[in-house]
Amino acid sequence: DAGVIQSPRHEVTEMGQEVTLRCKPISGHDYLFWYRQTMMRGLELLIYFNNNVPIDDSGMPEDRFSAKMPNASFSTLKIQPSEPRDSAVYFCASSPSFGRQDPYEQYFGPGTRLTVT
Amino acid sequence: DQQVKQNSPSLSVQEGRISILNCDYTNSMFDYFLWYKKYPAEGPTFLISISSIKDKNEDGRFTVFLNKSAKHLSLHIVPSQPGDSAVYFCAASDAAGGTSYGKLTFGQGTILTVHP
Repeated sequence: DAGVIQSPRHEVTEMGQEVTLRCKPISGHDYLFWYRQTMMRGLELLIYFNNNVPIDDSGMPEDRFSAKMPNASFSTLKIQPSEPRDSAVYFCASSPSFGRQDPYEQYFGPGTRLTVT
Repeated sequence: DQQVKQNSPSLSVQEGRISILNCDYTNSMFDYFLWYKKYPAEGPTFLISISSIKDKNEDGRFTVFLNKSAKHLSLHIVPSQPGDSAVYFCAASDAAGGTSYGKLTFGQGTILTVHP
């Protein structure tokens, strides 16, 4: 199993540009999560999907952020326009309905480090 | 509103000694708690969990304690090893009601450094 795949691993962009982060969850997982990690707030849940349907997007900071899951094997997180305060590490995670080790275990990708200048 | 808080940004311990990482929460609806470990340039990985019906769960060198009245949990690592040096996140779920199944609320993380 390849695990959760995220691309790109690093992204440097200028303020005002559109940024698209990509995620391929583990095959067979029903849930997909997008998180943002910052020093001040730790890991913040932005949005999560169940069977490709958005369930809770209350963590999305503002309308500049959008996420889609067109099929079970692909999701995107888009920021348009990007701002310097969006600089962070963005993680994608997936989970089955019941984890192998733990019912709520989530499997994280390696993250995308976004820098907006 | 930070519902899960890890008030110690960092902790430094000597190899072989005990590491104690703390976590506080404010939402009384949380009923399941997890600890994740994160190495640099990697995503967090699951470490250990505890249900609110228990007050202790042990897995090898790792033990998690839950004090529901104080809304506090802690992770004990005994003995600590240099390979334990990582960021530790505590997380909580209020999924028993069904509507939020799968959703975890994470704390800010604590950087643990274990010196040889």
